[in-house]
Amino acid sequence: GDSVTQMEGPVTLSEEAFLTINCTYTATGYPSLFWYVQYPGEGLQLLLKATKADDKGSNKGFEATYRKETTSFHLEKGSVQVSDSAVYFCALSTGSARQLTFGSGTQLTVLP
Amino acid sequence: GAGVSQSPSNKVTEKGKDVELRCDPISGHTALYWYRQRLGQGLEFLIYFQGNSAPDKSGLPSDRFSAERTGESVSTLTIQRTQQEDSAVYLCASSPPTGGYEQYFGPGTRLTVT
Repeated sequence: GDSVTQMEGPVTLSEEAFLTINCTYTATGYPSLFWYVQYPGEGLQLLLKATKADDKGSNKGFEATYRKETTSFHLEKGSVQVSDSAVYFCALSTGSARQLTFGSGTQLTVLP
Repeated sequence: GAGVSQSPSNKVTEKGKDVELRCDPISGHTALYWYRQRLGQGLEFLIYFQGNSAPDKSGLPSDRFSAERTGESVSTLTIQRTQQEDSAVYLCASSPPTGGYEQYFGPGTRLTVT
């Protein structure tokens, strides 16, 4: 079945550091790929998405590129802020039901 | 506009009791999903409703779990004879009929079984 593997956390960075959170997937067919973010005390929010190979999703300074050849969708940000501290989930969606398959989440803490 | 809402936000129940969780999706969203998030883990898919079609129940972990949806509106997730392993945050999401499979999540119901 479909699965998502993402970098285990927690990840702790200093403000303005470069961030990469790795995500790889296994799926039948051609999935859509997502990054969701869960800020402390808040619900899950869509951060960015890509629906086909070589698409780049971007939002709030975060980027991820859909790499079919490496089945990856790594999340990057050039300069993190304290306000980026959250749990980040990589996810994919395939098939007619379109339910999301999630990775286990990566806790990011950014220190001032 | 209004997002997905869920109630109650927190529920504490005794082992063996039944619980009912409610989800109000975004108006106009035809698809509705239930997920479960155990502490420190990712989300597990439970059930999917699409319009008036038969629901996809493939993620329900046991026959103690069931869900209903009235048309394209409110959904209820029922857990009968709750067990301690049912303790989790139960999340509801809805999705519009067109677009790139985006799902919009509610704040969740935190269920604690004592």
